[in-house]
Amino acid sequence: QVQLKESGPGLVQPSETLSLTCTVSGFSLTSNSVHWVRQPPGKGLEWMGIIRSGGSTDYNSALKSRLSISRDTSKSQVFLKMNSLQTEDTAIYYCVYGPLFDYWGQGVMVTVSS
Amino acid sequence: DIQMTQSPSVLSASVGDRVTLNCKASQNINKYLNWYQQKLGEAPKLLIYNTNNLQTGIPSRFSGSGSGTDYTLTISSLQPEDVATYFCFQHNSWPTFGAGTKLELK
Repeated sequence: QVQLKESGPGLVQPSETLSLTCTVSGFSLTSNSVHWVRQPPGKGLEWMGIIRSGGSTDYNSALKSRLSISRDTSKSQVFLKMNSLQTEDTAIYYCVYGPLFDYWGQGVMVTVSS
Repeated sequence: DIQMTQSPSVLSASVGDRVTLNCKASQNINKYLNWYQQKLGEAPKLLIYNTNNLQTGIPSRFSGSGSGTDYTLTISSLQPEDVATYFCFQHNSWPTFGAGTKLELK
């Protein structure tokens, strides 16, 4: 059974770095891609980036300068790091798996505030 | 980046109505178009993938169609549990989502 679960701090200070973890089960990271998607409160969805089965990454051009996605295949974990956070980065952050984008984690709410 | 425009932004309909939601891409997306349903406080749920393929477990009252730049999600007979926001999503190139259609009961 495919499962994804995001974890991380609920509150981050402006200008600091966000670190999130997506822990997966039911599939192998070495055979599948994982995406990160975020959703500001009451707003739409934004694709952030992907880490592919071979470990290569690609990012949304609007976030590329601040965003890094990595993984630890031995722990079945995918990591998101984004620096220079601002209030507009307040959002629910989801990790997503599947060639059809069909498996979503429950999401983790991150608030950027002092 | 490909822009996805959904219409209407809000739709009010009655139980039993046939409902149509629209999604227009800024360029041809070769039918790589998914539809998601999102209820309050929940993650999006995949309804339709690649324009017209019903995801496993989704009721048959949901259907999708389209090609090129224009796509449609149809609910043949609206049920109370269908109240939600619906997003279209293209994965032909760098993925992008539409802004959503909020479906309400009249």
